[in-house]
Amino acid sequence: DAKTTQPPSMDCAEGRAANLPCNHSTISGNEYVYWYRQIHSQGPQYIIHGLKNNETNEMASLIITEDRKSSTLILPHATLRDTAVYYCIVRGTISSGSARQLTFGSGTQLTVLP
Amino acid sequence: EPEVTQTPSHQVTQMGQEVILRCVPISNHLYFYWYRQILGQKVEFLVSFYNNEISEKSEIFDDQFSVERPDGSNFTLKIRSTKLEDSAMYFCASTSQTPLGGIQYFGAGTRLSVL
Repeated sequence: DAKTTQPPSMDCAEGRAANLPCNHSTISGNEYVYWYRQIHSQGPQYIIHGLKNNETNEMASLIITEDRKSSTLILPHATLRDTAVYYCIVRGTISSGSARQLTFGSGTQLTVLP
Repeated sequence: EPEVTQTPSHQVTQMGQEVILRCVPISNHLYFYWYRQILGQKVEFLVSFYNNEISEKSEIFDDQFSVERPDGSNFTLKIRSTKLEDSAMYFCASTSQTPLGGIQYFGAGTRLSVL
């Protein structure tokens, strides 16, 4: 799985959009970009994932550059409850019988300020 | 919304004792995982389980660790003789096999404190 690089920390004002960048310059064609977050010491929470098209769900939007070497997670209207560590993870697809694990880095500590 | 359930939320044990951490994965999921997170450190993969056998394991998952799916719903992690350095949060996760690669859903974790 390709390595990812994220800034260690970011701040965002409550109500504003939080844009979290991730670099994955060695990503290969069949690898997806996943985003998870972890609030305090709770279990990691799935946010969104994508292959090459931009994706949006009720939690966030994922923008992947055309060359797929970087991506941005967008929380459109950040709240105090979005304060968490955000992880960008690249992983290949599951093939039959292959239960690929997630490899967590240090992530980005997002602090939403009132 | 279906969720992964872990029990207990906090387990305190004496060094050298055996502990069993329990997980109920999401019901139609086929792949199961254990991860751990030592306080202040990264989430680390321990083991994955599919079709009633270990699929992959990390270097951390030595002979002191074992996993089992004793029935159709539970997935357990046993540590035979706990050490101080086993103190950590342990997370169970599960996923179904989908063409999109499978989203892993995590439980809330069990905090293991070895005294």
